[in-house]
Amino acid sequence: NAGVTQTPKFQVLKTGQSMTLQCAQDMNHEYMSWYRQDPGMGLRLIHYSVGAGITDQGEVPNGYNVSRSTTEDFPLRLLSAAPSQTSVYFCASSSRFRPSYNEQFFGPGTRLTVL
Amino acid sequence: KNEVEQSPQNLTAQEGEFITINCSYSVGISALHWLQQHPGGGIVSLFMLSSGKKKHGRLIATINIQEKHSSLHITASHPRDSAVYICAVRPNFNKFYFGSGTKLNVKP
Repeated sequence: NAGVTQTPKFQVLKTGQSMTLQCAQDMNHEYMSWYRQDPGMGLRLIHYSVGAGITDQGEVPNGYNVSRSTTEDFPLRLLSAAPSQTSVYFCASSSRFRPSYNEQFFGPGTRLTVL
Repeated sequence: KNEVEQSPQNLTAQEGEFITINCSYSVGISALHWLQQHPGGGIVSLFMLSSGKKKHGRLIATINIQEKHSSLHITASHPRDSAVYICAVRPNFNKFYFGSGTKLNVKP
């Protein structure tokens, strides 16, 4: 049981490049989400999904796309990277069923630098 | 308007001191989640609690759902406890709210 996995762990991009951050979970969780974490800003929600085929925007969605074709995978796409997207990105998942309903399981994070 | 407020934002302690971190929230919830993040590290779960108190080693978490308040205590603090501590709540299926985090530095 790997939990939530993210790849890559580190990435450096040039302005204007695109890339996809991968996230997968093997807990059959319906809810998956992407956060970015910047110094002094806490965790901010980018996009989330409540099930396969269903996604919605969070607080800071601009410049990012997501899709959810399977329960397991929730990739985050940066369309045209900008220096303002330099951040640490966390993927997380959660069940809709108790007792785990209130708990989010986080991936190890991806540290992204945009030059 | 912040649905979850944590205090203090920063905390420096000497090794061995008793630490308290507070979390207040304004939304209706059934349980609260405490998380820990070491510098440069991932986010790990410490406690999930819906009532009363839970203890794990030197860490104790308490919650009063009616008063919308939770505390995280660390007894006999140690430098390895230096981390950011975050509380989180889930008022509905679509949304989690996080506190801004408490950065703890325990000096030897």
